[in-house]
Amino acid sequence: GAVVSQHPSWVICKSGTSVKIECRSLDFQATTMFWYRQFPKQSLMLMATSNEGSKATYEQGVEKDKFLINHASLTLSTLTVTSAHPEDSSFYICSARPGPTGYNQPQHFGDGTRLSIL
Amino acid sequence: AQRVTQPEKLLSVFKGAPVELKCNYSYSGSPELFWYVQYSRQRLQLLLRHISRESIKGFTADLNKGETSFHLKKPFAQEEDSAMYYCALPLGSQGNLIFGKGTKLSVKP
Repeated sequence: GAVVSQHPSWVICKSGTSVKIECRSLDFQATTMFWYRQFPKQSLMLMATSNEGSKATYEQGVEKDKFLINHASLTLSTLTVTSAHPEDSSFYICSARPGPTGYNQPQHFGDGTRLSIL
Repeated sequence: AQRVTQPEKLLSVFKGAPVELKCNYSYSGSPELFWYVQYSRQRLQLLLRHISRESIKGFTADLNKGETSFHLKKPFAQEEDSAMYYCALPLGSQGNLIFGKGTKLSVKP
């Protein structure tokens, strides 16, 4: 149980393109989903926290107009990288926490999306 | 400030040897800590959590509030334990996770 599906797993696109990444909780409802970015050989850095039916909370230094997050249902959150540039190339990972429950419930992670901007 | 520190980037042991992956935290209050593992080409997955006090795949971790540590231990390492291990601390009302930088465990035959 507790499977999180992330799609696509890999995307290559031209500079200036907008890219949408989906994160779905397949067998549970998730009030809260999280988006991370991981650079090569580094740890995960939280970008934003996505709550169903409300605006996402972005971490300091993350441009909300650049990384649009929508959490329209209890099983789906999307991250759109708008007007992507080569510096946006990275590994993006989502996670979902079964909820609504306590804040200290474990998160379940997707496989990640490798974004390459040419 | 809240922080999770994993001092070792790489830990290499031989099969059958004991292993300890270090994790220290900085947090005011009673922390809830997790260990996540990422095997090669697989997603990050929960290994164990402090509150459960359980042993998963032979691994255990004890919260030491005096030393502000949550070290992960296994008495006899196996080759299949080779992976990246991340210590994580949930913060705030929404449980945002702060991750340590990770330790790559390599178990040699």
